[in-house]
Amino acid sequence: GAVVSQHPSWVICKSGTSVKIECRSLDFQATTMFWYRQFPKQSLMLMATSNEGSKATYEQGVEKDKFLINHASLTLSTLTVTSAHPEDSSFYICSAPGQGRLGGQPQHFGDGTRLSIL
Amino acid sequence: AQTVTQSQPEMSVQEAETVTLSCTYDTSENNYYLFWYKQPPSRQMILVIRQEAYKQQNATENRFSVNFQKAAKSFSLKISDSQLGDTAMYFCAYAGGTSYGKLTFGQGTILTVHP
Repeated sequence: GAVVSQHPSWVICKSGTSVKIECRSLDFQATTMFWYRQFPKQSLMLMATSNEGSKATYEQGVEKDKFLINHASLTLSTLTVTSAHPEDSSFYICSAPGQGRLGGQPQHFGDGTRLSIL
Repeated sequence: AQTVTQSQPEMSVQEAETVTLSCTYDTSENNYYLFWYKQPPSRQMILVIRQEAYKQQNATENRFSVNFQKAAKSFSLKISDSQLGDTAMYFCAYAGGTSYGKLTFGQGTILTVHP
């Protein structure tokens, strides 16, 4: 079935480093990818929506220059956390809509990336 | 803007018993979808059940069923014959009918099933 492969699953890096998270759709084309952020024991908050070949749409309060999103192909979307700081430490999850009625289509979630900034 | 509210931060239930998780939402749209997702300690997001707003019949999936009250904007999840593997965080979520599945999540309810 349709799968979204997310890498890396866990990354630890020093403050000031930029970190790239990749989400690849396997066996299907993902023209849209949603990027969520989740703090421990809290809900998923939508950060941005990426669309293949166009600029991402960011939610209010999300810094575009801090969280760079690229969706250069129908199977790959990336989130780059630039100059990461400890407050950027979080769990990041991507999801891509599958086939189905608009709004009700299944969401194929990646397994998430745990980002820890020292 | 759409909002989803889960008022129970934590719940617990004995194995084999039944538990109900509450969810309310607010929207001005007529066409939308509601979901319950399960997030176990592995943090994978697992779809439990889906309800289409234009369908009056409540969705069921094996031990999981919903009570969808459209006028009251309520969407509760009932888990029957609870199992230890049901221990997880549960999220109620909303997607508009004109979206591509952009989800608005509730705050989540941590469910613990005790042996």
